[in-house]
Amino acid sequence: KNEVEQSPQNLTAQEGEFITINCSYSVGISALHWLQQHPGGGIVSLFMLSSGKKKHGRLIATINIQEKHSSLHITASHPRDSAVYICAVKDYTDKLIFGTGTRLQVFP
Amino acid sequence: DAGVTQSPTHLIKTRGQQVTLRCSPKSGHDTVSWYQQALGQGPQFIFQYYEEEERQRGNFPDRFSGHQFPNYSSELNVNALLLGDSALYLCASSFGPKETQYFGPGTRLLVL
Repeated sequence: KNEVEQSPQNLTAQEGEFITINCSYSVGISALHWLQQHPGGGIVSLFMLSSGKKKHGRLIATINIQEKHSSLHITASHPRDSAVYICAVKDYTDKLIFGTGTRLQVFP
Repeated sequence: DAGVTQSPTHLIKTRGQQVTLRCSPKSGHDTVSWYQQALGQGPQFIFQYYEEEERQRGNFPDRFSGHQFPNYSSELNVNALLLGDSALYLCASSFGPKETQYFGPGTRLLVL
C-alpha cells in the first residue's frame, strides 16, 4: 500500500463544474503539498498546508490532520485547469513522498 | 530572477552507458533535491544535497550518485543504465532543507 493515496486517478469534467480531488496518507507529516504538473513535465506548487484551509483564486485546499486526509477543490473549472494534480507529504525527515497524481481533463 | 533550470531537456542513451544531469537552483537557494518520475507515476525521492553534502537518500541503488558544487548547482550521475531508468528526472531547490521546494522543468531520459 502506498504511503500517499489519491483519488480519483482520472477525472473528466465540463467547464464550470466543481471538482474535488482527495488525498489520504499513512505516515506522520510536517506538511502537505498540492502540486500541479502540466504535460511538459514542469511542476508548480499550489499549496503547502499543515492545518485548516487555504484558498487561492478558484483553488481551495483543506487538511484534516486527525483523519490524515486532504482535499483540493477547484471551483468554476476551466479547460486551462487540465493537468495532473499531485499530493505530496513532507515526513519528519523533510523527505517529500508523492502520490501518483490525479489526471484532470476539463472540456469546454 | 531565474527559476530552477535543468539540462539537458531530453537525452537518449543505451543500456550500460553513463549519464550526467545538471541542475541550477533558484537564486538564493542552497538545497537541491532530485526525483525520478516514471511514466504515469508520482515522483520518487532520489537524494538531497545541502552544504555540498548528501543529506538524505531515497531507496535508489549506488548507481545513482550526485554532487553539489560551491555555487549550489548540482549533478545527478547514473552509471550502468538500465531500461528501467527511463524517466523524467526532476530537480527541486529550496532555501534550506525544510522550506518549500521549487521544481525545474525536468530532464526526460530514454534508455534504449
